[in-house]
Amino acid sequence: DAGVIQSPRHEVTEMGQEVTLRCKPISGHDYLFWYRQTMMRGLELLIYFNNNVPIDDSGMPEDRFSAKMPNASFSTLKIQPSEPRDSAVYFCASRKQASGANVLTFGAGSRLTVL
Amino acid sequence: AQKVTQAQTEISVVEKEDVTLDCVYETRDTTYYLFWYKQPPSGELVFLIRRNSFDEQNEISGRYSWNFQKSTSSFNFTITASQVVDSAVYFCALIAIKAAGNKLTFGGGTRVLVKP
Repeated sequence: DAGVIQSPRHEVTEMGQEVTLRCKPISGHDYLFWYRQTMMRGLELLIYFNNNVPIDDSGMPEDRFSAKMPNASFSTLKIQPSEPRDSAVYFCASRKQASGANVLTFGAGSRLTVL
Repeated sequence: AQKVTQAQTEISVVEKEDVTLDCVYETRDTTYYLFWYKQPPSGELVFLIRRNSFDEQNEISGRYSWNFQKSTSSFNFTITASQVVDSAVYFCALIAIKAAGNKLTFGGGTRVLVKP
């Protein structure tokens, strides 16, 4: 089992640029979550999907952020245009409902720095 | 609403000392799950344990043990005979199914530094 795969692991960009973060969940998992970690706000849920459908995006900071899940094996989180305050580590996580365990498996994270 | 509070932001111990991390949660749900995750310096989030609200049995796994007490809404974590490799940030988290669906809410984390 390869686990949750995120790319890129590190991204440095300039303010105003578009940023796309990618996630491949564990095969067979039907829930996918995007979290953001900052020193000020800790770990916060941005959005989650069930069977590729966005269920709750109330944590998405503003319209500059968007997330998609075109199929069961791929999701993207896009920031356009990026701002320095978006600098954070973005985690993707997945879980399998049928297991009943409610345990999220996290990817290694994508560290974003916006200059 | 659901909330997790980890009052200790940082704990520093010398190797072989025991360390206990406090976690207090809030939820109106009667069905919920509690978790502990470890975040080592490398940055990934590693699952350690899950407890459901109907199971108050304490658990021990090697040097790790967990004390779940519904009466005080606490789910504390103890590392016995700490080692340098235990240095990490530890997060307590909660899912309250009815109140918050599938949202896993994290506490602020406790940084543990184990000195040799």
